Amino acid sequence: EVQLVQSGAEVKKPGESLKISCKGSGYSFTSYWIGWVRQMPGKGLEWMGIIYPGDSDTRYSPSFQGQVTISADKSISTAYLQWSSLKASDTAMYYCARRPSGYTNWFDPWGQGTLVTVSS
Amino acid sequence: QSALTQPRSVSGSPGQSVTISCTGTSSDVGGYNYVSWYQQHPGKAPKLMIYDVSKRPSGVPDRFSGSKSGNTASLTISGLQAEDEADYYCCSYAGSYTPYVFGTGTKVTVL
Repeated sequence: EVQLVQSGAEVKKPGESLKISCKGSGYSFTSYWIGWVRQMPGKGLEWMGIIYPGDSDTRYSPSFQGQVTISADKSISTAYLQWSSLKASDTAMYYCARRPSGYTNWFDPWGQGTLVTVSS
Repeated sequence: QSALTQPRSVSGSPGQSVTISCTGTSSDVGGYNYVSWYQQHPGKAPKLMIYDVSKRPSGVPDRFSGSKSGNTASLTISGLQAEDEADYYCCSYAGSYTPYVFGTGTKVTVL
């Protein structure tokens, strides 16, 4: 079964750093893109960026460029989303999702989500 | 890149059909046949329902169908069922610089 399992909920203070993870299983991790999506409380989905673990090719939404870093460790089939200095406005649910390589542009499946709460 | 525009809500009685629109520009929806639709129940992760404008993944009921005309894509749910009550989001490829943009989301209510 193809699965993406994300790390658990986090509670952090403003200014702290954070790295959340997304582990793929049941498929060839290096042959599919992994995207990250933000959902702020009560709001819609926002596309943040995407990485191809095979060669670490990474693209960011202009809205998130410079605000987060997306990376992957193909040796352990895991993608990451990290912040160097969190803000209260980073409070949200974050989802990872798999995108097939090639001329494909959809995301399936999705991870269960990681809730990040930033509060002083 | 602005979010694609969807109606905030649509509703219908069981058995009826509802259609959700997703309006973008020639740089996203109108420029590519890469529109996908996702269903999200409260507290759950999104689920792929339609890809490449009108294709259904295995396991998705054929009550769900997609189409596109110009800069507007649409998702139609025929024979509405109680379990279809959820939020729905469209997503379009938008080119190599900003590859993807989501819609604003639509809440479907089954009356």
